[in-house]
Order: sequence, then structure tokens, then C-alpha cells
Amino acid sequence: GAVVSQHPSRVICKSGTSVKIECRSLDFQATTMFWYRQFPKQSLMLMATSNEGSKATYEQGVEKDKFLINHASLTLSTLTVTSAHPEDSSFYICSASTQGPPSQPQHFGDGTRLSIL
Amino acid sequence: QKEVEQNSGPLSVPEGAIASLNCTYSDRGSQSFFWYRQYSGKSPELIMFIYSNGDKEDGRFTAQLNKASQYVSLLIRDSQPSDSATYLCAASRPGYSTLTFGKGTMLLVSP
Repeated sequence: GAVVSQHPSRVICKSGTSVKIECRSLDFQATTMFWYRQFPKQSLMLMATSNEGSKATYEQGVEKDKFLINHASLTLSTLTVTSAHPEDSSFYICSASTQGPPSQPQHFGDGTRLSIL
Repeated sequence: QKEVEQNSGPLSVPEGAIASLNCTYSDRGSQSFFWYRQYSGKSPELIMFIYSNGDKEDGRFTAQLNKASQYVSLLIRDSQPSDSATYLCAASRPGYSTLTFGKGTMLLVSP
């Protein structure tokens, strides 16, 4: 149980392209979904938290107009990197969680490796 | 500031030994604790979670929680080379699903 599917697994595209990443909870309804970014050999960095039907809450320093998050249903959230540039190249990972209490684990997707040329 | 601290390692153990991974947290309000394993280039996967003081066992893994000392640990018995990975400790407050992650401890199990 608790499977989170993330697509695509890898994207290589030209600078200026917008890229959409999908995150789906396959066998549970996710009240909250999270988007992380991880650079090589560095820690996970939380970008934003989204609840179904609500606007995402972005972490300090994350541009909400650059990283558009939509959480239209209890099983689907999308992250769109708009006008991507080489510095946006990173490993993007989503996770999903159900409602507590107690606080429930986050279940991670397999991640999307984004390379901007 | 809520922090979760882990020794970055690497922690090197021989195959078959017990690996002990430790984590401390600063927020006394934290009540839920999670251990994730992350292989290089992959996303984290949940190993165990613990809510109550004491030990919780699952196969070769035992999570230990001491809220008075603000200390969480993960023991891996009969360590295997396939256990070589970075282990992330995370904590959350009641009612919140947001996790505060430690930076992780790299474990190396040598054959």
C-alpha cells in the first residue's frame, strides 16, 4: 500500500521550456502533497506544501510564479517549472500524506530528474 | 528553530554487524518520528515510524524513541551490503504532516 507515482522520471529540455511533473497517490487519498528539490549530495529541500483544493504554501525563497503547483484532487498534484533555466536542473521529488492524528508518514514518488540545457 | 540533527557519517560496519544510527531533535513538541532510507540517486523510502517512547521492531529494524532525551535511533541487525544508503531521520508535530528532516547519515556495510 501507500504507492505514489511520479511522472516523468527524467526530462531533458531546452532553456525556456516549461515542464510539468505529475504526482499521483495510487491507493490512498492524499490530503496533503509535498514537493521537494534535491541537488547532488545535498539534503532534501521542501519547496511547497499543497492541500487538495487550496493554494499551495511555498517555503521561503521559492518563487511561486516559477514553480506552479496545482492540487486538483485527493490523488493528483502537479508541479510546473515555468520557463526553466539551467539553474533549475535538479531532482524533484513529490510525497503524499494522509490526515492525522497522529502525523502520518509521507510516501515519496520516485522523483523526476530535470536537466535544462 | 526546529532542528533534527544527525551525524553525516559515513558509518562503516562489516556485514552481519548491528548498525546504530542516531538522531536528536530540538522541538519538544515533536511527537511523531520517521526513518527513511535513500539510495544514491533515488527518492527516500519509509522504513519505520514511531510515536511512543520505547522500542518498535520490524524485521531487522528497531526504532527507539526517548522523548525525555529528545533522541531517536534506528538499529539495523545483521547488516547487509544492500543496506548501504543514507538514512534520514524526520520529526513532526501533532496535527502537522510537514516533516523536519535531518541531513542524513551515510551507512556503508562492507562485505
